[in-house]
Amino acid sequence: AQRVTQPEKLLSVFKGAPVELKCNYSYSGSPELFWYVQYSRQRLQLLLRHISRESIKGFTADLNKGETSFHLKKPFAQEEDSAMYYCALSEANTGFQKLVFGTGTRLLVSP
Amino acid sequence: DAGVTQSPTHLIKTRGQQVTLRCSPKSGHDTVSWYQQALGQGPQFIFQYYEEEERQRGNFPDRFSGHQFPNYSSELNVNALLLGDSALYLCASSSQGLNTEAFFGQGTRLTVV
Repeated sequence: AQRVTQPEKLLSVFKGAPVELKCNYSYSGSPELFWYVQYSRQRLQLLLRHISRESIKGFTADLNKGETSFHLKKPFAQEEDSAMYYCALSEANTGFQKLVFGTGTRLLVSP
Repeated sequence: DAGVTQSPTHLIKTRGQQVTLRCSPKSGHDTVSWYQQALGQGPQFIFQYYEEEERQRGNFPDRFSGHQFPNYSSELNVNALLLGDSALYLCASSSQGLNTEAFFGQGTRLTVV
């Protein structure tokens, strides 16, 4: 069964502190992993995907197939990072992007 | 480009009624997916349309049906509404091919009373 687990509903940190949003997945095939973000009153948008290996807004995520994890990290959190973050997966190398989402983690960065 | 647009933004229906939600994809996109997001949950895949056909379907009953038009816009229909259908319904558009990105609309908030 395809499943994405985000164990933390809320993560509260101070500005400048490191951030790690956890994501574990269960998938029998070869998955593609994503992080989506939803800022207040804005639509859900792609933050990054593991195949691009980019750092977006200072965030990085490494796919660990052994631990089936795709944790999102940022060394120094900013107040503007406060948002809802969703980890998601889809089947890799297909034309169809059926996304399976986790339940999300709310990140709150305090001054 | 306005991106993915959905209408209406909010809707209140009575249990047992039927509802139609609409989605216009981002310019250049030919594939539309629908998701249901219940309160406190992540989006759940309902189905996907490409070339006016349903290509994939999630674990939703037949009360949920859809349509895609030649201009790639799409409708989501829900019959015999239940209180549990109350949710945010999201539309996402993408283009066929590898490594494409799904763009989401603002969603339609459906409340069933």
